[in-house]
Amino acid sequence: DVKVTQSSRYLVKRTGEKVFLECVQDMDHENMFWYRQDPGLGLRLIYFSYDVKMKEKGDIPEGYSVSREKKERFSLILESASTNQTSMYLCASSFYVGGRNTIYFGEGSWLTVV
Amino acid sequence: AQKVTQAQTEISVVEKEDVTLDCVYETRDTTYYLFWYKQPPSGELVFLIRRNSFDEQNEISGRYSWNFQKSTSSFNFTITASQVVDSAVYFCALSDNGPRGGGFKTIFGAGTRLFVKA
Repeated sequence: DVKVTQSSRYLVKRTGEKVFLECVQDMDHENMFWYRQDPGLGLRLIYFSYDVKMKEKGDIPEGYSVSREKKERFSLILESASTNQTSMYLCASSFYVGGRNTIYFGEGSWLTVV
Repeated sequence: AQKVTQAQTEISVVEKEDVTLDCVYETRDTTYYLFWYKQPPSGELVFLIRRNSFDEQNEISGRYSWNFQKSTSSFNFTITASQVVDSAVYFCALSDNGPRGGGFKTIFGAGTRLFVKA
């Protein structure tokens, strides 16, 4: 089974703190994604990556950055956390090959910024 | 630009009713992929189906069926004889054809919350 593991399930951080959300996948997937999920807004794409050291902005990249130093690991960084970044963050991965490009999700990380 | 619209925010049905969840998409790609995911109250996202843009054949899986129509850019999902366990949020998603010719940037609709009452 594909496994996408997010390091923290629940976090509480203070405004202005630097926050790291870590994600690891064990299926040698090329593509990795970070989404945030908010009520009524669905899943919104923050950043994605199709290779090591490659990153592409999604629809809402402001206030976030990412790092992909190894194929299996994709980190989301909140440089200076703000209360409007309180949300659930979902990491996902997929193969780039069209016939196998189903996205697999982690369990999510609930971040509260106070 | 890609876009996925799920116009139905919430739907409430009584058990055994049929229900259709609508999904309309926008893309400039000729090759793309469409998905449906289910998110039950437990929170995990469960993959239901993937369709590529060259395959307009409708699909049936048990009580679930999907109607893909390129002419109207729609990929609708029907649950027949709904059950309480179908209560969940359902997301439609669109993946473009990335630089290597495979699925790449994937965006989701806002989701439709389905309530099935006993």
